[in-house]
Amino acid sequence: AQSVTQPDIHITVSEGASLELRCNYSYGATPYLFWYVQSPGQGLQLLLKYFSGDTLVQGIKGFEAEFKRSQSSFNLRKPSVHWSDAAEYFCAVAPSGGSYIPTFGRGTSLIVHP
Amino acid sequence: EAQVTQNPRYLITVTGKKLTVTCSQNMNHEYMSWYRQDPGLGLRQIYYSMNVEVTDKGDVPEGYKVSRKEKRNFPLILESPSPNQTSLYFCASSLTPTSGHEQFFGPGTRLTVL
Repeated sequence: AQSVTQPDIHITVSEGASLELRCNYSYGATPYLFWYVQSPGQGLQLLLKYFSGDTLVQGIKGFEAEFKRSQSSFNLRKPSVHWSDAAEYFCAVAPSGGSYIPTFGRGTSLIVHP
Repeated sequence: EAQVTQNPRYLITVTGKKLTVTCSQNMNHEYMSWYRQDPGLGLRQIYYSMNVEVTDKGDVPEGYKVSRKEKRNFPLILESPSPNQTSLYFCASSLTPTSGHEQFFGPGTRLTVL
């Protein structure tokens, strides 16, 4: 079975600073990987996903993530954070092929200081 | 507008009083699922459905029931709610039950059981 670890419960950054949110996964083969964002009072929205191919994936809202097989990681990055990026971020992993039983990480809460 | 809707958005009830949270999607998606979100635990899957009349348990099914009589609807039933079911609940849907498809989430239902 797959698993996901988001080691940081909270991350605080200043507006305009760069951001990296960590995600490590455990799975026997290359999985499908996702990052979702949950704004306050909202449901989850997909930021980006990785299936195969180019290991650097571009998403919405200026986010990108890089799949590193050797490190079993899929970290989310943004070069310059805006106050509106304050939210909860979830990494998720699903088995490649087959039926869709995703596993979500516990989430990282991003706090943005002005 | 393509969306997943949930009702009610907020619910306060008492122990043992049966309740139903409705979920409906207008995207003709085959796959639907229910999650609960608790602080520090992230999202945990309660039940999922691969298609009409096909449902299966997720990670935390105890105390919940579901049904999928129509493709668009996937209600969550708590026959005898208890305080430990106080949580934020999300319904989600996906085009097909294969791993590559994005899940679309409803806005959430905040349930308090007294």
